[in-house]
Amino acid sequence: AQKITQTQPGMFVQEKEAVTLDCTYDTSDQSYGLFWYKQPSSGEMIFLIYQGSYDEQNATEGRYSLNFQKARKSANLVISASQLGDSAMYFCAMREGRGYQKVTFGTGTKLQVIP
Amino acid sequence: DVKVTQSSRYLVKRTGEKVFLECVQDMDHENMFWYRQDPGLGLRLIYFSYDVKMKEKGDIPEGYSVSREKKERFSLILESASTNQTSMYLCASSTDRAMNTEAFFGQGTRLTVV
Repeated sequence: AQKITQTQPGMFVQEKEAVTLDCTYDTSDQSYGLFWYKQPSSGEMIFLIYQGSYDEQNATEGRYSLNFQKARKSANLVISASQLGDSAMYFCAMREGRGYQKVTFGTGTKLQVIP
Repeated sequence: DVKVTQSSRYLVKRTGEKVFLECVQDMDHENMFWYRQDPGLGLRLIYFSYDVKMKEKGDIPEGYSVSREKKERFSLILESASTNQTSMYLCASSTDRAMNTEAFFGQGTRLTVV
């Protein structure tokens, strides 16, 4: 079974609009962490935002926020006021495990921002 | 500045060759990971290591092995390269000391097996 599911292979958003990228996860651990990364065409992996399983507040970092719904096992990324530089692949990832920790990724969503 | 360095950016090898991909981190991280990235499949975990000489299989370990003799270095070995191992390989490291910190990535090695 997929640990991380991203159902949107590609998305378009108008510049200055907000966009939500979906992510659902599957784990039986009580303690885990959820991450979002951005990968522009240059190939580097850029960390965007983190949400811990015990965090009660949704994480925010500038224009990025994470809509964490624990009961539904979803961790959607919201990008507000999209910019042309936001065009990239976006990956959701989960860290889980006791003793040692494994990090698994989803298949990614390609976001294209339209001027 | 934190750093994960992969030994090669591009590599071309012949079918059947033994291939070594090297990764070094300077952050004293406990955990190190090898992923391969293919279009439409995202990043798939090959192997990871949580300590020197310790390793765990990821989701797609077949055809690969790893070595971690020193904390800062994690090597991925293709025992007999095949064309279906043509891919982008990404190394990452992370710490156990702070649960909310991310994994840091190298720049990637694009391996072509001909």
